[in-house]
Amino acid sequence: GAGVSQSPSNKVTEKGKDVELRCDPISGHTALYWYRQSLGQGLEFLIYFQGNSAPDKSGLPSDRFSAERTGGSVSTLTIQRTQQEDSAVYLCASSLVGIGGGADTQYFGPGTRLTVL
Amino acid sequence: DAKTTQPTSMDCAEGRAANLPCNHSTISGNEYVYWYRQIHSQGPQYIIHGLKNNETNEMASLIITEDRKSSTLILPHATLRDTAVYYCIVRVASGYSTLTFGKGTMLLVSP
Repeated sequence: GAGVSQSPSNKVTEKGKDVELRCDPISGHTALYWYRQSLGQGLEFLIYFQGNSAPDKSGLPSDRFSAERTGGSVSTLTIQRTQQEDSAVYLCASSLVGIGGGADTQYFGPGTRLTVL
Repeated sequence: DAKTTQPTSMDCAEGRAANLPCNHSTISGNEYVYWYRQIHSQGPQYIIHGLKNNETNEMASLIITEDRKSSTLILPHATLRDTAVYYCIVRVASGYSTLTFGKGTMLLVSP
């Protein structure tokens, strides 16, 4: 079946502009994660959605970052007033089991490479 | 989550088995061993996971020692497309937890 998809695959923007990144999770997956990965670095957790529960926003680096998940499916990560340090690959992952149901196997999308000039 | 130790890099000839070791000596009874890989410029790809028993799927086999302090990921017939960084992760068995990748093992498959 279809995996996690993300769009756009690449985004180049100017410092100070707002950007929106989109994630389409695997159909039926209740949990959705956003991570980012800077060049040569590991994964940095940003935000987690599970069903209708309040999202875990503990990883968002500043109030310029926000995310929504509409209808329990598609998610949008918004970065306002982008800065050069926001340049990274933004990865979305989804899983079938979010809470209290065993191991949580996350499946990743291809990522959006964001470059802030 | 328990810490894991992996070799920095490994080489493998195309068509041969690639055996990637991982030490996780502080693993707890309720923690799974997960393997992901990341091919250059792509998102991480789930490979396999296990708790106690050995596991096999279409991608790989996972061998976990009886004391669970180490494991080996086996790619039975490595191809050039298997060149990637392989991450061994130990994660709690219930609830959600965010993924944290260490340095991983850079596997280079050569012709």
